[in-house]
Amino acid sequence: GNSVTQMEGPVTLSEEAFLTINCTYTATGYPSLFWYVQYPGEGLQLLLKATKADDKGSNKGFEATYRKETTSFHLEKGSVQVSDSAVYFCALTGSARQLTFGSGTQLTVLP
Amino acid sequence: DAGVIQSPRHEVTEMGQEVTLRCKPISGHNSLFWYRQTMMRGLELLIYFNNNVPIDDSGMPEDRFSAKMPNASFSTLKIQPSEPRDSAVYFCASSLRTGGQETQYFGPGTRLLVL
Repeated sequence: GNSVTQMEGPVTLSEEAFLTINCTYTATGYPSLFWYVQYPGEGLQLLLKATKADDKGSNKGFEATYRKETTSFHLEKGSVQVSDSAVYFCALTGSARQLTFGSGTQLTVLP
Repeated sequence: DAGVIQSPRHEVTEMGQEVTLRCKPISGHNSLFWYRQTMMRGLELLIYFNNNVPIDDSGMPEDRFSAKMPNASFSTLKIQPSEPRDSAVYFCASSLRTGGQETQYFGPGTRLLVL
């Protein structure tokens, strides 16, 4: 079946630091890949997505590239802000329509 | 445009009571998903509907859980009787599936505590 493995957290960075959250997946066929973000006490918000190999999703300074050869979809941001503190979830949909989520990575950005 | 709407946002109840969670999907979306989030199990799909018809309910934990979608703009998830282990955050998501692609948009969730 499908699975998503995310970098274990928590991750603590200083403001303006570079962020990478690793995500690898196992899926049959050609899944679509997503990053969702969950701010404290809120629901999941779609951050970015990519639907085919070599696609780059980007939003709010975050980027992730769909790498089929390494089955990865790592999330990056060049300069994080305090307001980026949240839990980040990598997810995929394959032939089955439900989202398969990683375990989430808690990010804390200190001023 | 309004996003997915869920109610109530918080629910505290006693063991054995019936709990009903409500969801209004984004207008025009044709699929609706119910997820549950717990510390132990993370995010897991309970059931999803396509064009108001339940397609996959294999994630529903047991007969105490039931879900309905009487029309395109409303769905309920009912737990009867509730148990403390049902305490979790329940999310509803909706999507529009076109050309084999879709993106699910989530509501704010209902935080359920069963005492």
